[in-house]
Amino acid sequence: QKEVEQNSGPLSVPEGAIASLNCTYSDRGSQSFFWYRQYSGKSPELIMSIYSNGDKEDGRFTAQLNKASQYVSLLIRDSQPSDSATYLCAVNSNEKLTFGTGTRLTIIP
Amino acid sequence: ETGVTQTPRHLVMGMTNKKSLKCEQHLGHNAMYWYKQSAKKPLELMFVYNFKEQTENNSVPSRFSPECPNSSHLFLHLHTLQPEDSALYLCASSPRVNEQYFGPGTRLTVT
Repeated sequence: QKEVEQNSGPLSVPEGAIASLNCTYSDRGSQSFFWYRQYSGKSPELIMSIYSNGDKEDGRFTAQLNKASQYVSLLIRDSQPSDSATYLCAVNSNEKLTFGTGTRLTIIP
Repeated sequence: ETGVTQTPRHLVMGMTNKKSLKCEQHLGHNAMYWYKQSAKKPLELMFVYNFKEQTENNSVPSRFSPECPNSSHLFLHLHTLQPEDSALYLCASSPRVNEQYFGPGTRLTVT
């Protein structure tokens, strides 16, 4: 079983709609969770972090964490073409950050 | 601009060559990392340095040799690489393991 799993996509969402990205992880002891955005040919950029159950909002982005179900999600409201990128989920377990393979998101104008 | 720079940005080398990748961070972070990113695979952690001391070597072949002379600089020395080592090599730094800031990467091609 992969430690951090994401649907590789591609996920296509119309401009202005909500994009929903999901991630599951295997280690119940994981303490913190992150979303990175990676544009094609660029390096990953940290966009959200979440440490406790529930929702965390930052602008158009909302991270959701459910430790009991071992999943973390990222919602992007009012999706823009500039949101088209690969989104990497990362999980901190035992002071080690493990990444998923990423979900490729395409926003359709 | 994340404050982490890497040189060179692109590198083509033969299997018998020796080259080095350089990473520099201007963020005052204590930890630095080397990652390998290949197509269709998750980011693979290679090495971790905390306060200049190597704290993790993730079963990386000895043809990759890291060096951390101080907390701002990190090198990855390469020798006798294989074509399957072609990938994007990313350096990152962090004040703690949670928040890692990546450099732009070095696109390495081994011929």
